Amino acid sequence: QQQVKQSPQSLIVQKGGISIINCAYENTAFDYFPWYQQFPGKGPALLIAIRPDVSEKKEGRFTISFNKSAKQFSLHIMDSQPGDSATYFCAATVRDNTDKLIFGTGTRLQVFP
Amino acid sequence: NAGVTQTPKFQVLKTGQSMTLQCAQDMNHNSMYWYRQDPGMGLRLIYYSASEGTTDKGEVPNGYNVSRLNKREFSLRLESAAPSQTSVYFCASSGRGGNEQYFGPGTRLTVT
Repeated sequence: QQQVKQSPQSLIVQKGGISIINCAYENTAFDYFPWYQQFPGKGPALLIAIRPDVSEKKEGRFTISFNKSAKQFSLHIMDSQPGDSATYFCAATVRDNTDKLIFGTGTRLQVFP
Repeated sequence: NAGVTQTPKFQVLKTGQSMTLQCAQDMNHNSMYWYRQDPGMGLRLIYYSASEGTTDKGEVPNGYNVSRLNKREFSLRLESAAPSQTSVYFCASSGRGGNEQYFGPGTRLTVT
């Protein structure tokens, strides 16, 4: 019930293409769904996040699509760039005083010129 | 602001040795966390501290202990290191109700 399942494990996209990473969850108490971006040798950093009261959130080239009934959410990277090459983690949490995050297993994205 | 800092950056231990990983944040955050990152496993929560003076187990606490020394500092101790504890360790912090966690640069630990 506490798992967040993420796919694919790795993704290769050409420059200018669309990158799509998918996540699914079981726990209906989750109410905050962030995506973290991690470059090699660095800690993860928050990229974009969504709450379940909206179906989509867009920030620049990054969009989260959220399907509450299917318990799925996805990250879309439009016009993918070599600088987007990183590992992406989806996560979920229940709003309480701990802010504990449950992370997916990560997707390594490589964008080739 | 330095954000979240961790020391050391790299460490090699022999099986059975002990060590403490240090973490500090300067954002006046209430909550702090220790994760380990292993290939194909994502980030797994070891311990967390929702506020100064409290600590709780996460998903993978066995073999570790923590101390929330004050609001700024949260340390992770390996009493008797094992090869299975070879990993990259991340400390993170978050403000009350803020949800966003800020991560440190990580400590790469190898146990031989």
